Amino acid sequence: AQTVTQSQPEMSVQEAETVTLSCTYDTSENNYYLFWYKQPPSRQMILVIRQEAYKQQNATENRFSVNFQKAAKSFSLKISDSQLGDTAMYFCAFRGGSSNTGKLIFGQGTTLQVKP
Amino acid sequence: DAGVIQSPRHEVTEMGQEVTLRCKPISGHNSLFWYRQTMMRGLELLIYFNNNVPIDDSGMPEDRFSAKMPNASFSTLKIQPSEPRDSAVYFCASSLNQGYNEQFFGPGTRLTVL
Repeated sequence: AQTVTQSQPEMSVQEAETVTLSCTYDTSENNYYLFWYKQPPSRQMILVIRQEAYKQQNATENRFSVNFQKAAKSFSLKISDSQLGDTAMYFCAFRGGSSNTGKLIFGQGTTLQVKP
Repeated sequence: DAGVIQSPRHEVTEMGQEVTLRCKPISGHNSLFWYRQTMMRGLELLIYFNNNVPIDDSGMPEDRFSAKMPNASFSTLKIQPSEPRDSAVYFCASSLNQGYNEQFFGPGTRLTVL
């Protein structure tokens, strides 16, 4: 069975600094998709960034980037120049490439606090 | 597009009452998901539909919970009878079965059962 693990329940970072959130997963598939979602205090789930497993290049979206290590089954999220608005819970998610229903497997979440 | 629409946004009810949560997915999406989020258990997938057909309801806690999707633009999650331990935020999400298949989430319904 596929699993997603986020080993850091809580993290904090000073405003303008860089922080990395960890995520590991387990799968026997070769092609799959990985996502990071953000849930701010408003509780709205927002997609931050996504990565296709067959792409070697790490995805980047403005201040957000990932370090995708396929062999290690690791998918960490780096937030550069942290802003107060980045304070949120972050979820890592996996979708198998053979899935035809869009089902995602979510990690437990990491609560990030950005301090002024 | 208006995104995934959920109603009500907040619901307060008394134990034993029936509760119905509603969801309108994004037009054209063919998968729909119901999640429950609590502090203790995190984000749990309750049930999901593909082309209006329930695919996996193994996450539904017990027989008090039921979900329907009578057409591509509407789904309900019903709890009857409700219990205080059902208090949680319930999310509906939808996706299109191609490419990234990212899920788009609704704003959630905060349910409080007294």
